[in-house]
Amino acid sequence: AQKITQTQPGMFVQEKEAVTLDCTYDTSDQSYGLFWYKQPSSGEMIFLIYQGSYDEQNATEGRYSLNFQKARKSANLVISASQLGDSAMYFCAMREGRYFSFGNEKLTFGTGTRLTIIP
Amino acid sequence: NAGVTQTPKFRVLKTGQSMTLLCAQDMNHEYMYWYRQDPGMGLRLIHYSVGEGTTAKGEVPDGYNVSRLKKQNFLLGLESAAPSQTSVYFCATTLKGGGQHFGDGTRLSIL
Repeated sequence: AQKITQTQPGMFVQEKEAVTLDCTYDTSDQSYGLFWYKQPSSGEMIFLIYQGSYDEQNATEGRYSLNFQKARKSANLVISASQLGDSAMYFCAMREGRYFSFGNEKLTFGTGTRLTIIP
Repeated sequence: NAGVTQTPKFRVLKTGQSMTLLCAQDMNHEYMYWYRQDPGMGLRLIHYSVGEGTTAKGEVPDGYNVSRLKKQNFLLGLESAAPSQTSVYFCATTLKGGGQHFGDGTRLSIL
């Protein structure tokens, strides 16, 4: 079974609108971390935002926020006021287990969502 | 991506040839990782290292070897390249919170 599921292969959004990228995950661990990365057409992987499983508040980083719904096992990325430069692939990833516990450092990635912002 | 440097950026090999990809980091991080990225499959972990002299297998280790002789360098080797190893390879080190900081990638084509 997939541990990270991104059900939207591609999305088109009008510039300046907000966009939500879906991510659901599967784990039996109580302690885990969720991450979002952006990969523009140039190919580099850019870390956007992190949410720990015990964090009570949703993570925010500028225009990015993570809508964390633990009971539903979802960690959706919300981008407010989208810009043309937001066009890219977006990957959701999960680290299972406690931070820096031996053997639990690995990230599992979803297959990504290609976001295209329309002017 | 300051801090994680991958060499080379592009390479074309013939089937059966060998090569080594180099990842160098200047952030004094203990943890380093090698991933491959294929269309429609996200990133998959090949091997990783939790410190100098230690390595461990990831999700797709077959056909690859790694070495971490120095803390700052993590090498990925292909002993006998196969077309199935055509991919984009990313090296990463661990950020605070467990996230990872990636290099710019190496695009490898095996003919």
